[in-house]
Amino acid sequence: DAKTTQPTSMDCAEGRAANLPCNHSTISGNEYVYWYRQIHSQGPQYIIHGLKNNETNEMASLIITEDRKSSTLILPHATLRDTAVYYCIVRVASFGNEKLTFGTGTRLTIIP
Amino acid sequence: SQTIHQWPATLVQPVGSPLSLECTVEGTSNPNLYWYRQAAGRGLQLLFYSVGIGQISSEVPQNLSASRPQDRQFILSSKKLLLSDSGFYLCAYRTGGIYGYTFGSGTRLTVV
Repeated sequence: DAKTTQPTSMDCAEGRAANLPCNHSTISGNEYVYWYRQIHSQGPQYIIHGLKNNETNEMASLIITEDRKSSTLILPHATLRDTAVYYCIVRVASFGNEKLTFGTGTRLTIIP
Repeated sequence: SQTIHQWPATLVQPVGSPLSLECTVEGTSNPNLYWYRQAAGRGLQLLFYSVGIGQISSEVPQNLSASRPQDRQFILSSKKLLLSDSGFYLCAYRTGGIYGYTFGSGTRLTVV
């Protein structure tokens, strides 16, 4: 799996958009970008994933650069409940690749 | 619907005592199953994964073992706990496709 680089921590004001960057300069053509988050004392929760097009769901938007070497997770209107550690993971989506490994992620704190 | 159960939620055990944590998945067959550990203030570490009954892959040498006696049951064990075994243990499953992994609610183990 391609290595990812994320900032250690970020703050965001409540109600504003939270933009979490991730660099994955060694990504391969068949690797997807996944985002998970882990709220304190809970298991990680899937947020969104994408290959090369921008994606949006009820939780967030994912913007992937044209060269796919970086991406940004956007939480459009952050709430206090969005305080969590956010993990960016790049991996092949095939069922034979079984090891999902997490980096240290970005600790996002939403400020009231 | 698919669900994952982990128990107990919290556990305090003395050094040298045995350990057995159980994880079961419902609503799916032949899932890939995973055990992760998260030490206090640290990231998620993959301990074991299993692609089928009786098939266990270990990621790191340690004082723990895993077993999969049934298709949807994954057990994490230790014969003699060490203080360093303390942490937050998470079970996860994957059933193919690109939507990734679903995590259980975790067991917080404190070895005293």
